[in-house]
Amino acid sequence: GQSLEQPSEVTAVEGAIVQINCTYQTSGFYGLSWYQQHDGGAPTFLSYNALDGLEETGRFSSFLSRSDSYGYLLLQELQMKDSASYFCAVRHNNNDMRFGAGTRLTVKP
Amino acid sequence: NAGVTQTPKFQVLKTGQSMTLQCAQDMNHNSMYWYRQDPGMGLRLIYYSASEGTTDKGEVPNGYNVSRLNKREFSLRLESAAPSQTSVYFCASSGMRNTIYFGEGSWLTVV
Repeated sequence: GQSLEQPSEVTAVEGAIVQINCTYQTSGFYGLSWYQQHDGGAPTFLSYNALDGLEETGRFSSFLSRSDSYGYLLLQELQMKDSASYFCAVRHNNNDMRFGAGTRLTVKP
Repeated sequence: NAGVTQTPKFQVLKTGQSMTLQCAQDMNHNSMYWYRQDPGMGLRLIYYSASEGTTDKGEVPNGYNVSRLNKREFSLRLESAAPSQTSVYFCASSGMRNTIYFGEGSWLTVV
């Protein structure tokens, strides 16, 4: 079967750095993705890791360790607008994308 | 750019009624998906379609049927709605890259 585990809530202050972890279990693995969703909105793509290592996109970075079935999303220089839910997702074949339950990030002034 | 468009945005159904959620994408993507989202449960895959003419079950297919009408359109049908199907439904599509594009969501309440 498949499962993805991520913390349900994280709180941080504006300007800080926060890391959201994700561990996964899947029968096949084609990559780990991260999505952001604001309340009432649709999820939007943030980053994707197919290989081990760090991918950086502006203030956001994502890391993957396939041997540990583990990844994380790193958000730097937090802004109030970063308050949202963040989902890790695993593609376990070419077309089946499964999502974790999400981490609700609250950024405080 | 329209992207992924789904209708209706809001719907209230009585238990036992049927309805179809419509979805269309204009990005020429092969893969399309239907997810449902419940509080604290994340996004759960109902059905997906890898290409025109093919559909496959996801995590929670019971109570739903889908049709991949053509490359653009992927509909989700509830034959006999139940209160447990009250949820937000998202249609999505993806192309060769690993990015999934979501529609704005359909809020369905079954009373």
